[in-house]
Amino acid sequence: GESVGLHLPTLSVQEGDNSIINCAYSNSASDYFIWYKQESGKGPQFIIDIRSNMDKRQGQRVTVLLNKTVKHLSLQIAATQPGDSAVYFCAENMGYGNKLVFGAGTILRVKS
Amino acid sequence: DAGVTQSPTHLIKTRGQQVTLRCSPKSGHDTVSWYQQALGQGPQFIFQYYEEEERQRGNFPDRFSGHQFPNYSSELNVNALLLGDSALYLCASSLGGGGSASYEQYFGPGTRLTVT
Repeated sequence: GESVGLHLPTLSVQEGDNSIINCAYSNSASDYFIWYKQESGKGPQFIIDIRSNMDKRQGQRVTVLLNKTVKHLSLQIAATQPGDSAVYFCAENMGYGNKLVFGAGTILRVKS
Repeated sequence: DAGVTQSPTHLIKTRGQQVTLRCSPKSGHDTVSWYQQALGQGPQFIFQYYEEEERQRGNFPDRFSGHQFPNYSSELNVNALLLGDSALYLCASSLGGGGSASYEQYFGPGTRLTVT
């Protein structure tokens, strides 16, 4: 079936440290992956995406790594800040129609 | 540039009632997808509208229906509400239906529906 799951439901990090959030996906046919950040009371906010023909993509303070061999996705946040505290979702696009399949989410807590 | 807007923000309904939620896509976008997000879970795809037609549907019963208007805005209707329909309903907009240009989806703030 279709599923996107996360390894760790909650991640606590010290301000200034790097954070790594992991995600496993099940459909090897997925060709597009996205990380979203969701703050309390808000809709998901796009962070970064990656196509299946790439292994790594960097944004501002964020990096997404894709390992298609083991169907694993990770989000790295450099110099984590209190404003990074939120729930992070990975999602996969199954191709046609932009249907996104989301995982359950990882809560990131940043300690000052 | 207006982002995705949804109305109302919050809504309380009674079991058995019907509800209509509304979404206006981001300026320039023509595709609207609806998602249901239960508390503590990731969003679940309900359906997508493009060119005023339902293009793809998730595993939701027929009680969930929708519509897209010529100006690309969309409505989500839920009939015969159940307690389990209580959730955050999210609208996401994108461009171009199912084509490769339309991968990126922008989400609205959602409508919090509570069924009592």
